[in-house]
Formats: sequence, structure tokens, C-alpha cells
Amino acid sequence: DAGITQSPRHKVTETGTPVTLRCHQTENHRYMYWYRQDPGHGLRLIHYSYGVKDTDKGEVSDGYSVSRSKTEDFLLTLESATSSQTSVYFCAISESQGMNTEAFFGQGTRLTVV
Amino acid sequence: AQKVTQAQTEISVVEKEDVTLDCVYETRDTTYYLFWYKQPPSGELVFLIRRNSFDEQNEISGRYSWNFQKSTSSFNFTITASQVVDSAVYFCALRGNTGFQKLVFGTGTRLLVSP
Repeated sequence: DAGITQSPRHKVTETGTPVTLRCHQTENHRYMYWYRQDPGHGLRLIHYSYGVKDTDKGEVSDGYSVSRSKTEDFLLTLESATSSQTSVYFCAISESQGMNTEAFFGQGTRLTVV
Repeated sequence: AQKVTQAQTEISVVEKEDVTLDCVYETRDTTYYLFWYKQPPSGELVFLIRRNSFDEQNEISGRYSWNFQKSTSSFNFTITASQVVDSAVYFCALRGNTGFQKLVFGTGTRLLVSP
């Protein structure tokens, strides 16, 4: 199994509070991703990183920011959580960005915004 | 734009039945890869297979087989003699050769296999 750890695994937070989710990898892969999974939508890309301090937006990036100060860590921050951000968040890593490269996923973080 | 459609939201079968999960994709890329992932009840996403757009040979791995047909833009997944452990949500995904080459997922098909 790919060495990907997400923390926390579960979180309940109040509307308007900031929340940070952490993804830690031990594979030294260059590429890291944050997805959210919602019923009827599958997995949608929030942000991704192609190296330390190199990040870019995905298709559903509004309300989220990311940071990557080390190869192994990729943080996802909800600046002011809203109920629409209640979801399951997955971190993924890949060794390269080639088409033939699969992504490996973490266990997911279930976030509930009340 | 790239799109993956899994029209079957949920399928229920009885153990030992064969079941096919449909995946239809759209892309303008000339070269691309298709993937299947499995999400068991425990929640993690498990990579199953990838297939490139130039290889239309069917692939078989044990009870699993995949049928890629470029003419119909489909990459269907068949489980033969299904087992309770096959119960999961299955996602089809596409990765093209333009832009960032991100993985685009379908909405998933939930497979329930009852004893």
C-alpha cells in the first residue's frame, strides 16, 4: 500500500471556523492532490501540487487553499467552513504526471460542517 | 472537456451472478488512459486497472475482465461469479494528454452482492 496518511480521519466543525486537513506521504512522490467526494458527483479535484511550493487550482477550488512546504506534506485549508463543504476529502499522490500513471489515495477524511 | 458517465447508480445481484458495470467517456484527446478504482465499505480507493487508448484488447484478471471499445467510447467492467466481497462502489476515470492531465472520475456505481 502506498504510504499516505490523512489526518484527522473525522472532524466536525462549526460554520465559519477555519479547518486544516493534512496529507502526509512517505513515497517521495512529486504530485499530490486533494479531491472531495460527494454523492452524485464522484470525486472532484480541489487543488493539486506539482512540487514544493508549486500548487494550482482544480475544478472546485473556491473556498479552499493549499500549501506544500515539504515534499511529504500537503495541507488543505478551509478558510471559513460552510455547510456545502461537508464532504469526504481524499488526498492522492502520483509519481509522475504521465497519462499512464495511476494515483494512489489516502483513507479519506470525513468532514461535517454544522 | 472530458467526461466520464457511469449511468448505473446502484446494482444488486446475488452471489455467483455475473455483473457488468458500464463506463462511457468523452474526450477530444487523441491519446488517453482509462482507469477503474474500487471503494469498499471501509472507504479507501483501490486502483484496479489502467488501459491506454491504443490497446483495445480485453483484459482478464481472475474473475475481473475489462472490455474497452473505442468505437463506442466505453470501458466496461465485468465481474464473473460475484462474491459478497465484491460489494463496493466502483469508479471509472479518464486521464488525457492535454492540459494538466488530471484524473476525471465518473459518479460511481454501487454494487451490492447478497449471499
